[in-house]
Amino acid sequence: EPEVTQTPSHQVTQMGQEVILRCVPISNHLYFYWYRQILGQKVEFLVSFYNNEISEKSEIFDDQFSVERPDGSNFTLKIRSTKLEDSAMYFCASSATGVGANVLTFGAGSRLTVL
Amino acid sequence: DAKTTQPNSMESNEEEPVHLPCNHSTISGTDYIHWYRQLPSQGPEYVIHGLTSNVNNRMASLAIAEDRKSSTLILHRATLRDAAVYYCILRDRNAGNMLTFGGGTRLMVKP
Repeated sequence: EPEVTQTPSHQVTQMGQEVILRCVPISNHLYFYWYRQILGQKVEFLVSFYNNEISEKSEIFDDQFSVERPDGSNFTLKIRSTKLEDSAMYFCASSATGVGANVLTFGAGSRLTVL
Repeated sequence: DAKTTQPNSMESNEEEPVHLPCNHSTISGTDYIHWYRQLPSQGPEYVIHGLTSNVNNRMASLAIAEDRKSSTLILHRATLRDAAVYYCILRDRNAGNMLTFGGGTRLMVKP
């Protein structure tokens, strides 16, 4: 079964450092998403991306965050200057268009620990 | 997204059916009812979704009340692997594709 792949599975970084989390969505999907989950809390929407631009974003997704699809397969989330409160699991997801847009497939997540 | 209300936790015995309820009294006519689950240390996983009619797939069944103000996710034979947090989410089909997760129901399955 096709899956969404995320790397790294765990990253430890110092406060103020830049972090890039990578995702390989399902190959024929055209909608891409990032969500995060702080330990013990709800899964929170960050951003959605379609046709090479952001289609929706939440209040969490401020100027410190950016997303990019640098090539035909990868979808990245960059945090410019990490803060302690950015420590969380970050989940990438993708979905198809049309009726398939109803179904999001999530990756296993990247755990970010900011020290 | 319209709000959903789910019990915080439920317990079930292995190999017995499980009925997970969800109330969504403020649902609008264009809201789909989605169910996702999150197994321990994993990302959310799609389970099922519907609009008005009951739905079945290989994972579960979704029973939607006639007035659409509540729905029930049915796992026909719970296994230990079904222990997870189950999220009932409303998504407006005329809005974007984003999902708004609530607290969900933590299902514990006893052997």
